[in-house]
Amino acid sequence: QVQLVESGGGVVQPGRSLRLSCAASGFPFSNYPMHWVRQAPGKGLEWVAVISYDGILKYYADSVKGRFNISRDNSRNMVYLQMISLRPEDTAVYYCARDGSGTNWFDPWGQGTLVTVSS
Amino acid sequence: QSALTQPASVSGSPGQSITISCTGTSSDVGGYNYVSWYQQHPGKVPKLMIYEVTNRPSGVSDRFSGSKSGNTASLTISGLQAEDEADYYCSSYTTFSTVLFGGGTKLTVL
Repeated sequence: QVQLVESGGGVVQPGRSLRLSCAASGFPFSNYPMHWVRQAPGKGLEWVAVISYDGILKYYADSVKGRFNISRDNSRNMVYLQMISLRPEDTAVYYCARDGSGTNWFDPWGQGTLVTVSS
Repeated sequence: QSALTQPASVSGSPGQSITISCTGTSSDVGGYNYVSWYQQHPGKVPKLMIYEVTNRPSGVSDRFSGSKSGNTASLTISGLQAEDEADYYCSSYTTFSTVLFGGGTKLTVL
């Protein structure tokens, strides 16, 4: 079945870096754009970034542009989110999600990985 | 870019119908038929309920329907059930090739 499993979350100090990973299975990974979406504790959903099926096109939310980089490895069915210069406001559960058909809807979602930025 | 605008909360009694609105601009909701809706129960992963304004994924009850008029999209839940109590989020593709979410609406079934 279609499955997304995130990893790499944890506690990190402000200004430091972290890389999140998302392992995909159960579908032809290289055919689909992939997204990262986050949710701060007790808050709503915030879209973070998208990468095209071939890894060429990448777009970011203004709040993370210049600090986060999305990438993918189609040979390993993996998508990544490299985060640098982390801020306390980046604290959130980060979800990996498959783009349904290139029209920016998300299905399925992974279970999420928690990133806490705190000194 | 600002988040799409949703009411913070809506409520209804079992069996009733409710509608949740999602207002954006001509650069997002009004400009594309790429609005989707998600249901999230406390502590759970969001679930896709509607995509491309009106389409329902297989397995989603036909009590859920979507529509759009101008810069405002809507999610209607008919025959309200206790299990529908959850947070609901809209999202839209934007002219900047990004995605915006609404602030979320808490649905209470009285």
